[in-house]
Amino acid sequence: AQKITQTQPGMFVQEKEAVTLDCTYDTSDPSYGLFWYKQPSSGEMIFLIYQGSYDQQNATEGRYSLNFQKARKSANLVISASQLGDSAMYFCAMRSLNSGYSTLTFGKGTMLLVSP
Amino acid sequence: GAGVSQTPSNKVTEKGKYVELRCDPISGHTALYWYRQSLGQGPEFLIYFQGTGAADDSGLPNDRFFAVRPEGSVSTLKIQRTERGDSAVYLCASSFGRGRGETQYFGPGTRLLVL
Repeated sequence: AQKITQTQPGMFVQEKEAVTLDCTYDTSDPSYGLFWYKQPSSGEMIFLIYQGSYDQQNATEGRYSLNFQKARKSANLVISASQLGDSAMYFCAMRSLNSGYSTLTFGKGTMLLVSP
Repeated sequence: GAGVSQTPSNKVTEKGKYVELRCDPISGHTALYWYRQSLGQGPEFLIYFQGTGAADDSGLPNDRFFAVRPEGSVSTLKIQRTERGDSAVYLCASSFGRGRGETQYFGPGTRLLVL
C-alpha cells in the first residue's frame, strides 16, 4: 500500500518569496514516481512536476523544483519567486512503476496563500 | 479543446435519483481514470480504462457505481440510487497509456450535490 502525508494544511507566503510545501510518502515498491499537482479554485488539477525514484537529479520545471530525499522518503515542492496566481491547493501524489499501469495516490493537500 | 473536458460542471440531484457524468479525454489518450474528491481530501481512485475495457474497477465503492467507455474515447460514470454521501467532485484524467511514469492530465471535474 502507498501513503502520502502532507502535514501543512495551510501556508502563507509573501509575493516574490520562496516557499516549501512538505510531502512524505510510504511505499514498499522499489520503483515509483512522485507528482505534484496544483488545484486552483476552478477545480482542475494542473500537473506541475514529476520525480522518478531512480532519477539521479532533483526535478525542476521553471519556478518549481522538487527536493527529493529518498532516504527520508520526502519529496518537498519548492516554489521560487511566488506570484499571486500561485494561491491554490497543492497535492503531492505517487504511483508505483512496477506494473504496466497504476493509479495515483494523493495526499490531503496544502492550501497556499500568496499575499501582495 | 486540447484538455480533458467534463460535463456537467455542476449537478444537483435528489436522493435516490440516477445521474450520469461525462468525460471527454485528450485526443489520442488511451488511458482514462475516474477519481472522487470529497471536501478537504485529495482525489481517490475509482476506475481505470485502457481503451474500451475497465482494467481496474477496484475503487468503485459499491454496485451503485458503474462506468463505460464504449468506443475507447468518451467515458460515462453512472451512479444509481444516489445517496447524500455521494456528494463530491468527480474528476476524470487521461494519459497516453504507454509509460508507467507518465503524467495523468485532469479535467475540471463535476461537482455533484445530492440533496
